[in-house]
Amino acid sequence: EPEVTQTPSHQVTQMGQEVILRCVPISNHLYFYWYRQILGQKVEFLVSFYNNEISEKSEIFDDQFSVERPDGSNFTLKIRSTKLEDSAMYFCATTWDRRINEKLFFGSGTQLSVL
Amino acid sequence: QKEVEQNSGPLSVPEGAIASLNCTYSDRGSQSFFWYRQYSGKSPELIMSIYSNGDKEDGRFTAQLNKASQYVSLLIRDSQPSDSATYLCAVSSGGSYIPTFGRGTSLIVHP
Repeated sequence: EPEVTQTPSHQVTQMGQEVILRCVPISNHLYFYWYRQILGQKVEFLVSFYNNEISEKSEIFDDQFSVERPDGSNFTLKIRSTKLEDSAMYFCATTWDRRINEKLFFGSGTQLSVL
Repeated sequence: QKEVEQNSGPLSVPEGAIASLNCTYSDRGSQSFFWYRQYSGKSPELIMSIYSNGDKEDGRFTAQLNKASQYVSLLIRDSQPSDSATYLCAVSSGGSYIPTFGRGTSLIVHP
């Protein structure tokens, strides 16, 4: 089965540093999402992306966060100035056409640790 | 604020028993309902989706939906130790298509 690929699997950074998390979606998928999961807590929606623009975002997705798909393959999440509370597992998810099939395919995640 | 509530558990059942997992949701406009399985340290994996009232069966799994009661459940028959995981209920509305997840119920199937 096709997979969503995320890199790196682990990222350790100092508070205030910028991080970029990368995702390679399944090739024919059109909708892309970032979710995060703080240890022991629920999977939380951050942002959805379609047709090279943000389609929805949550309250968590503030000005410190940005997403882009610069080269038509990688889908990235950037956190400009990381905070301790940004420590979490970040999941990229993609789907083909959410109006037809809402099954989300999740990547294996990036564990972000902010020190 | 759309809420999806689940008992965090753990729910412990013996091998071969039926495990029953429950979920309630707050948004009456919700139209799509999902059960994901998440092993420790891994990503969620969709195991069932249901869109209309009633039961939907897929192998050992049965999803049940009652929109009037805003309740969705997952039954796992003949539970196996490999079913031990956290089961996440997710709900989305037709306008948003963005699944909102519950905190999940931890299931432990002991031999």
